[in-house]
Amino acid sequence: NAGVMQNPRHLVRRRGQEARLRCSPMKGHSHVYWYRQLPEEGLKFMVYLQKENIIDESGMPKERFSAEFPKEGPSILRIQQVVRGDSAAYFCASSPPSEGDDEQFFGPGTRLTVL
Amino acid sequence: AQSVTQLGSHVSVSEGALVLLRCNYSSSVPPYLFWYVQYPNQGLQLLLKYTTGATLVKGINGFEAEFKKSETSFHLTKPSAHMSDAAEYFCAVSGGSYIPTFGRGTSLIVHP
Repeated sequence: NAGVMQNPRHLVRRRGQEARLRCSPMKGHSHVYWYRQLPEEGLKFMVYLQKENIIDESGMPKERFSAEFPKEGPSILRIQQVVRGDSAAYFCASSPPSEGDDEQFFGPGTRLTVL
Repeated sequence: AQSVTQLGSHVSVSEGALVLLRCNYSSSVPPYLFWYVQYPNQGLQLLLKYTTGATLVKGINGFEAEFKKSETSFHLTKPSAHMSDAAEYFCAVSGGSYIPTFGRGTSLIVHP
């Protein structure tokens, strides 16, 4: 069973460009979470999605950031008009459908560098 | 509401010594508690978790943690540190929500 896959692993963008980060959850998992990790900080929750639905986006910046998890294909975190402050590691996690709190399985992350 | 405090951003031990990483939490509902490990340039990997039942939880790589409700703590321990244990460790709490809150992390340094 393949784990959570993220691509690209490293992404370099110039200020003002768009960044697209992809996440394929583990097989059988329908819940996807995106986190951002800055140096010397913990993981900050950004958004929680299920197939075709955004369940909680309370951690998403109000502008330039969007996320989707379509019926087919990977989840996408999109950052428009990137700025240097967007440089960070972005992690995706997935979990199976369940009634209670469950372990999240993390991908290896995408390290975004904005020049 | 929930929060996690990890005391000490860096912990340094000698190889073979006891490892103790501290985690205190707050939660308005019975918590689920997790410890994750992150090796350089990798994602987080679950070490162990507490949901219900036995308060002493054993995880992978010889780690264990004890849930102490009266102290609102979930400290991580390992009797004897190995060089390969050097990594970043994150405590997390969830409860009443599917979204865990993570601590800022503790970097474990192991000296030969």
